[in-house]
Amino acid sequence: GAGVSQTPSNKVTEKGKYVELRCDPISGHTALYWYRQSLGQGPEFLIYFQGTGAADDSGLPNDRFFAVRPEGSVSTLKIQRTERGDSAVYLCASSLTGYEQYFGPGTRLTVT
Amino acid sequence: QKEVEQDPGPLSVPEGAIVSLNCTYSNSAFQYFMWYRQYSRKGPELLMYTYSSGNKEDGRFTAQVDKSSKYISLFIRDSQPSDSATYLCAMEGSSNTGKLIFGQGTTLQVKP
Repeated sequence: GAGVSQTPSNKVTEKGKYVELRCDPISGHTALYWYRQSLGQGPEFLIYFQGTGAADDSGLPNDRFFAVRPEGSVSTLKIQRTERGDSAVYLCASSLTGYEQYFGPGTRLTVT
Repeated sequence: QKEVEQDPGPLSVPEGAIVSLNCTYSNSAFQYFMWYRQYSRKGPELLMYTYSSGNKEDGRFTAQVDKSSKYISLFIRDSQPSDSATYLCAMEGSSNTGKLIFGQGTTLQVKP
């Protein structure tokens, strides 16, 4: 079946701009996760959704970051007033169990 | 000190060698232990997961968990050039929500 998809695959934006990153999870997966991966590092947790609600947003670095999942399927990660330090690969994962997480290919965000 | 420590390598081995990859951790509450493989510019791919202590085998891959030592390992037998990738260990946070804590990743190169 179809895996997790993320769009766009690459995004280049100027410092101070707003960006939206989209994630389409595996059909039927109720749990959805966002992670951020910097070069040479492992992914770092940002936020976890169970259904439509954000069950754990403790990884969001500050209030410029926000995510939604209004219908319990597709999720959007939103970043306001982007900074150069936001440049990273943003990964989305979905799961039925929690520990078996299936990742998408990621969105590579570059803030110039 | 990071919760999960992983030697970034790189690790270079000849084709056919047995590869040993390891992680140590500090949080005794971790219960699920995962290994992911990540090819360059791709998302992490789940290889195996283990619950609590013990061994698990899947084809050429064997995962071991020693909770008393807070040490996990992944062994790859008869390594192939196609195994060349970054290997990430991950552990579920104590909240049982699926919030994964990743190691830095070990880069493996298998030379023909």
